[in-house]
Amino acid sequence: GAVVSQHPSWVICKSGTSVKIECRSLDFQATTMFWYRQFPKQSLMLMATSNEGSKATYEQGVEKDKFLINHASLTLSTLTVTSAHPEDSSFYICSATGLATYNEQFFGPGTRLTVL
Amino acid sequence: AQSVSQHNHHVILSEAASLELGCNYSYGGTVNLFWYVQYPGQHLQLLLKYFSGDPLVKGIKGFEAEFIKSKFSFNLRKPSVQWSDTAEYFCAVNPHHDKIIFGKGTRLHILP
Repeated sequence: GAVVSQHPSWVICKSGTSVKIECRSLDFQATTMFWYRQFPKQSLMLMATSNEGSKATYEQGVEKDKFLINHASLTLSTLTVTSAHPEDSSFYICSATGLATYNEQFFGPGTRLTVL
Repeated sequence: AQSVSQHNHHVILSEAASLELGCNYSYGGTVNLFWYVQYPGQHLQLLLKYFSGDPLVKGIKGFEAEFIKSKFSFNLRKPSVQWSDTAEYFCAVNPHHDKIIFGKGTRLHILP
């Protein structure tokens, strides 16, 4: 199956700093990438959908100025958490889909963010 | 609004017991259906999927699921569970041309 990687796998940062998380599709072109957030013992909540070369579409309640998403190439999307606060601590997961995946999303391993 | 409902939040079974996890969705149109598994400390993996055709879908590791359109259900089953099946299971629905919607997950704990 298609492979999606995320970097870093975990990050600890101080409150007020910004953190960038990368999502890469390793063996296929990802025309669409999704960013999810997973709180402990809860389901994945879609934050935003990004299509290559276009602005991301954010879900209701997600601050676009706080969670900056860039999908500049067919294999890379980035999520930047700006001015992070402890309540932003969570597990962030990306997924990707493209023509080669026939409408199936492939998930990255996730990035655990802890804001002190 | 579209939603996915998983009936059981936490299931505890002994090894060799049979498993059925319920999943219902609310969407009137054509959908793609998925079951994902998340083992402790690992990322989401696809167990099985239904796009069209035979409503009884076979997945990996002995899992299967049946799509019953009239009941808007896609229940996951396994005749005999193993300790290694301990994980969290997510049902997901992907209405065509729309985003994927996840259920809240069912935490399965298998007693050795």
